[in-house]
Amino acid sequence: NAGVTQTPKFQVLKTGQSMTLQCAQDMNHNSMYWYRQDPGMGLRLIYYSASEGTTDKGEVPNGYNVSRLNKREFSLRLESAAPSQTSVYFCASRGGLAYTYEQYFGPGTRLTVT
Amino acid sequence: GENVEQHPSTLSVQEGDSAVIKCTYSDSASNYFPWYKQELGKGPQLIIDIRSNVGEKKDQRIAVTLNKTAKHFSLHITETQPEDSAVYFCAASIGGSASKIIFGSGTRLSIRP
Repeated sequence: NAGVTQTPKFQVLKTGQSMTLQCAQDMNHNSMYWYRQDPGMGLRLIYYSASEGTTDKGEVPNGYNVSRLNKREFSLRLESAAPSQTSVYFCASRGGLAYTYEQYFGPGTRLTVT
Repeated sequence: GENVEQHPSTLSVQEGDSAVIKCTYSDSASNYFPWYKQELGKGPQLIIDIRSNVGEKKDQRIAVTLNKTAKHFSLHITETQPEDSAVYFCAASIGGSASKIIFGSGTRLSIRP
């Protein structure tokens, strides 16, 4: 099991450019999440998907869109990147057949917007 | 919505001493309280969690306590070791395993040799 994988690991964008962050999990989890982590701060929830076909806003959704492509994949899109979106982005998943509460995180994508 | 506050933001303890990190939550309907450890350059990893029907849980040197009346929960690490140095996050969640989890702002724990 690879767990939760994220691509790319690093990305530099110019203001106004767009990009999609990819996330996949192989644990058959129902729920998936996107967080951002700014230097010296905690994780803030951007969007989450409780199950395939559903998505909901978190604490800081402005400037982002998400797609739950299937049960395994949950992508995060920045349509017009801004310097304020410079951050480390983490994807996470939880809730499988064993009804586990534990949330598993990917390694993160470090995004810089200039 | 749910809000989680965490204190202190930094903590330095002598190796072998105990460390305590405290969190408060705002929504009395919260029923799941995990603690995560994050090492440099990595994603957070669950170290212990507690559900609202339990007041205390231990796992070797780590323990978590929950006071539902006061809406407080705490992480206790005993006999600290150098490898305990990391950033620790508390979090709270309402509902089942499909619900969202809200994180505290983190505590940077340093263990002095």
